[in-house]
Amino acid sequence: DAKTTQPNSMESNEEEPVHLPCNHSTISGTDYIHWYRQLPSQGPEYVIHGLTSNVNNRMASLAIAEDRKSSTLILHRATLRDAAVYYCILHNNNDMRFGAGTRLTVKP
Amino acid sequence: GAGVSQSPSNKVTEKGKDVELRCDPISGHTALYWYRQRLGQGLEFLIYFQGNSAPDKSGLPSDRFSAERTGESVSTLTIQRTQQEDSAVYLCASSLASFGGLAKNIQYFGAGTRLSVL
Repeated sequence: DAKTTQPNSMESNEEEPVHLPCNHSTISGTDYIHWYRQLPSQGPEYVIHGLTSNVNNRMASLAIAEDRKSSTLILHRATLRDAAVYYCILHNNNDMRFGAGTRLTVKP
Repeated sequence: GAGVSQSPSNKVTEKGKDVELRCDPISGHTALYWYRQRLGQGLEFLIYFQGNSAPDKSGLPSDRFSAERTGESVSTLTIQRTQQEDSAVYLCASSLASFGGLAKNIQYFGAGTRLSVL
């Protein structure tokens, strides 16, 4: 199975940008890169996904390396509500497995 | 509401008893997933249903675990002879489909069932 590697935890100051990295060196050509986040005591929620090109939506931006072996989730202005565990996942057909994710702490 | 609904939200049981957890997916979603999340850990895939295809049971940790799904609607996860190690939050997710990485593959999660085995 393709796997992803993320730092266990990161800290950010409120209203500053946050760059959450993810390594996926064994990614295949048909794997999409998905990001989800899980707020305390809630189920995960979708954030963003992409294949090769960088992607933007109302929640975040996704920057994908040219060789696709890594990606970065960008929160442009972190708020206290963005404190969560962020999961980077490779999605292909019915295979979508979550790792341990990165726990983001946002300091006021 | 239009989201994924799970019941009960909390379940306390005694070791050795059987439990049934229920998931109501979003209407029209053909794919349904069950995950287990132990305290402070990431999500552990258990089982996946896609339409009328045979389910992918590769994540079930033992034969005490089973799941059923009626058509493209409700699913139940059953744990027989529960053990303390089964204590966790059990999460259900549904999506429109599960082919490639199209937008319709976005998974929508319920709030989970917190299972405590005493």
